[in-house]
Amino acid sequence: GAVVSQHPSWVICKSGTSVKIECRSLDFQATTMFWYRQFPKQSLMLMATSNEGSKATYEQGVEKDKFLINHASLTLSTLTVTSAHPEDSSFYICSAWSGFSYNEQFFGPGTRLTVL
Amino acid sequence: GQQVMQIPQYQHVQEGEDFTTYCNSSTTLSNIQWYKQRPGGHPVFLIQLVKSGEVKKQKRLTFQFGEAKKNSSLHITATQTTDVGTYFCAGPGGKTSYDKVIFGPGTSLSVIP
Repeated sequence: GAVVSQHPSWVICKSGTSVKIECRSLDFQATTMFWYRQFPKQSLMLMATSNEGSKATYEQGVEKDKFLINHASLTLSTLTVTSAHPEDSSFYICSAWSGFSYNEQFFGPGTRLTVL
Repeated sequence: GQQVMQIPQYQHVQEGEDFTTYCNSSTTLSNIQWYKQRPGGHPVFLIQLVKSGEVKKQKRLTFQFGEAKKNSSLHITATQTTDVGTYFCAGPGGKTSYDKVIFGPGTSLSVIP
């Protein structure tokens, strides 16, 4: 089946620094990827839709200048959390439709961000 | 916007007992998906239902889509400890099958051995 990887799997950073998270589709091309954020014991909240070669589409309430998304190739999307603060600490997960089975969405293993 | 609700929020069952989680939408859904997330893990796609009244089975799991396509259920027969996790339903957030999905709040299942 399709595989989506994320790097890093966890990161700890100081408040005010920026953190980049990578999402890769390993055995398929993904023109569209999705970024979610999940706080403990809560559901997944969609942050944005990442589109290859164009600007990301952000959900209402998500600051586009704080959460920079770049989808530079058909297999890589990156999420950069700029000037991170403790309230940005969360589990960030990406996903993509595989194309093998159009109605199946594959998720990356997630990145746990802790901002001190 | 589209909202998907789920009940119950938590469910604790004795191993061997059955479990059901219900998903409701305020609007008609073109499809509904179910995901399972193990503790510390990421969501894993289980199934997608598209047709009104559709019923699909995966071993001990039975998925149902309501006639009005506004509700869905997941039933697990004779739960096992491997069923522990949070079950999410998700509805389409856009117009196509490749579009974003909106997740319900999830039902967390604990199985007591």
